[in-house]
Amino acid sequence: AQTVTQSQPEMSVQEAETVTLSCTYDTSENNYYLFWYKQPPSRQMILVIRQEAYKQQNATENRFSVNFQKAAKSFSLKISDSQLGDTAMYFCAFCDAYSGAGSYQLTFGKGTKLSVIP
Amino acid sequence: GAVVSQHPSRVICKSGTSVKIECRSLDFQATTMFWYRQFPKKSLMLMATSNEGSKATYEQGVEKDKFLINHASLTLSTLTVTSAHPEDSSFYICSASSGQSEKLFFGSGTQLSVL
Repeated sequence: AQTVTQSQPEMSVQEAETVTLSCTYDTSENNYYLFWYKQPPSRQMILVIRQEAYKQQNATENRFSVNFQKAAKSFSLKISDSQLGDTAMYFCAFCDAYSGAGSYQLTFGKGTKLSVIP
Repeated sequence: GAVVSQHPSRVICKSGTSVKIECRSLDFQATTMFWYRQFPKKSLMLMATSNEGSKATYEQGVEKDKFLINHASLTLSTLTVTSAHPEDSSFYICSASSGQSEKLFFGSGTQLSVL
């Protein structure tokens, strides 16, 4: 079974600064997907960024980027120029590529509560 | 982008009653839907996976007779909490996959409070 570990229950960052959230995972699969989801106080799950394991290039989405280290099974999220709206719970998630056609069954980490301080 | 509608957003019920939560994919056909449960300040725990037209697959420890899942069409899955008890109080979230897009879309969740 896959496991996802987020070792930082809470973090804070000053507005406009950069913060990195860590995530490690354990799997015996070679092909899989990794995700970062944001859950603001509204509790709506919002996809932040997605990475395919077979791609060496780190995914980026505007101010969000990842550092994907496949050998180390590490998948950290960097948020640049932090904004007040980034305040939320952030969940790292894993999905193997063989869950079945179209079946993206996610395993979530416990989450990191990020607070952006004005 | 794709939208998943979940209804109701909040429900309060008496102990012993049943509650039905709906999850609809509004602009795509969802071949697979997932139901999660989230306790306060905790992560999402997968309860079950449902595929249209077949029985749901429940995760270990989830009572299938208590949490009835129906996925009768490609746009609708329902979760019915039968004979609800206070310990069933939680936040329930659905998600849907089209099978043609490598993305998963989440509903806005349902807060269930059982008195």
